[in-house]
Amino acid sequence: EIVLTQSPGTLSLSPGERATLSCRASQSVSSSYLAWYQQKPGQAPRLLIYGASSRATGIPDRFSGSGSGTDFTLTISRLEPEDFAVYYCQQYGSSPWVTFGPGTKVDIK
Amino acid sequence: QVQLVESGGGVVQPGRSLRLSCAASGFTFSSYGMHWVRQAPGKGLEWVAVISYDGSNKYYADSVKGRFTISRDNSKNTLYLQMNSLRAEDTAVYYCAKDADIVAIRTSEIDYWGQGTLVTVSS
Repeated sequence: EIVLTQSPGTLSLSPGERATLSCRASQSVSSSYLAWYQQKPGQAPRLLIYGASSRATGIPDRFSGSGSGTDFTLTISRLEPEDFAVYYCQQYGSSPWVTFGPGTKVDIK
Repeated sequence: QVQLVESGGGVVQPGRSLRLSCAASGFTFSSYGMHWVRQAPGKGLEWVAVISYDGSNKYYADSVKGRFTISRDNSKNTLYLQMNSLRAEDTAVYYCAKDADIVAIRTSEIDYWGQGTLVTVSS
């Protein structure tokens, strides 16, 4: 089983700042089958990034993903008020099994 | 637009059973793999199970293997999760979720989620 670790656990930033979230896998994620999701309180998760770096439909370009192998990054270039949420990475390279990371909370400083 | 509506959650005693349903609309249900993902109160996301578009392949997380069964009825556009021998640690919001790739031979990212149904296992 591929185990995902996310850091930091909590990121305290101000609107307008840049957010850099890390996701590290216990073994290489094949073909960069890694996704990022955003979840706000009381809501279902929303797909942001798939294939490590492709933005999902309707996702603003301030969100970008990068990385390969075991190290992946989600960057939010300039935080908007609606971006304060919990972010999860997910690998689907070991199909059919899927695993999620523990999440990074981005909160207002 | 894609809609996934879960139902069947509630309070159940340990050791008992419960069946969740997920009514799908807005897409060709029979062409996509479907997942169940759960989230315990205040915790992160945990993948539970996936079923292929035609129902021929099913896979489970170790934590539910042998107790939960995923199934689908493509004629009714409905996904199911039969949960037996429930434990306190199964308490969670259960999300029905759609795989992104059409008629896929492998799991892909999840592009749509339902709003979830809460299952509470307690005596």
